[in-house]
Amino acid sequence: AQSVTQLGSHVSVSEGALVLLRCNYSSSVPPYLFWYVQYPNQGLQLLLKYTSAATLVKGINGFEAEFKKSETSFHLTKPSAHMSDAAEYFCAVSDQRQGGKLIFGQGTELSVKP
Amino acid sequence: KAGVTQTPRYLIKTRGQQVTLSCSPISGHRSVSWYQQTPGQGLQFLFEYFSETQRNKGNFPGRFSGRQFSNSRSEMNVSTLELGDSALYLCASSSGTGIRMNTEAFFGQGTRLTVV
Repeated sequence: AQSVTQLGSHVSVSEGALVLLRCNYSSSVPPYLFWYVQYPNQGLQLLLKYTSAATLVKGINGFEAEFKKSETSFHLTKPSAHMSDAAEYFCAVSDQRQGGKLIFGQGTELSVKP
Repeated sequence: KAGVTQTPRYLIKTRGQQVTLSCSPISGHRSVSWYQQTPGQGLQFLFEYFSETQRNKGNFPGRFSGRQFSNSRSEMNVSTLELGDSALYLCASSSGTGIRMNTEAFFGQGTRLTVV
């Protein structure tokens, strides 16, 4: 069975500091991986996705993630945090069976201090 | 292009009642998925519909059901509501046609259901 683990339910950084949100996955087939962001009282917005092309994936708002098969990781980074980055972030893997099911991690709430 | 539209945004129901939530996908998208989001359980997959057929189902009791219409609009129904059904229900649509999800799922803003 596939699963996603996000290390750290809360991460706090200072404005301008590096953002690192950790995601590890478990999958018996080559995974398709996604990072989504959720602002309060909103739905989820896709930041970036990995679908077996380049291992370093660039997304919106300056975020990027690197797929590391040997570490089964897909960590999300941003060189310099902005106040507007404060939100909840979800890592997800596509279910290995046919269809549109996503398996989500528990989420990481990012706080940005001025 | 209009996004995914969910109605209503907020709903308060009494235990034992039933509720129907609606989702209009992005035009041209044939896949619609539903998720339940709670603080304790996080985001959990309910079911997915593709071309009016349920293609995938999560581990929820039979009180949770759904359907999809020929215009791809989808509804989910919860019967005999319980307090634990209070959650944000999110709908997502995708242009993916058959192979497992490698295209973006676009999410609506959700319906906040409160059961009292």
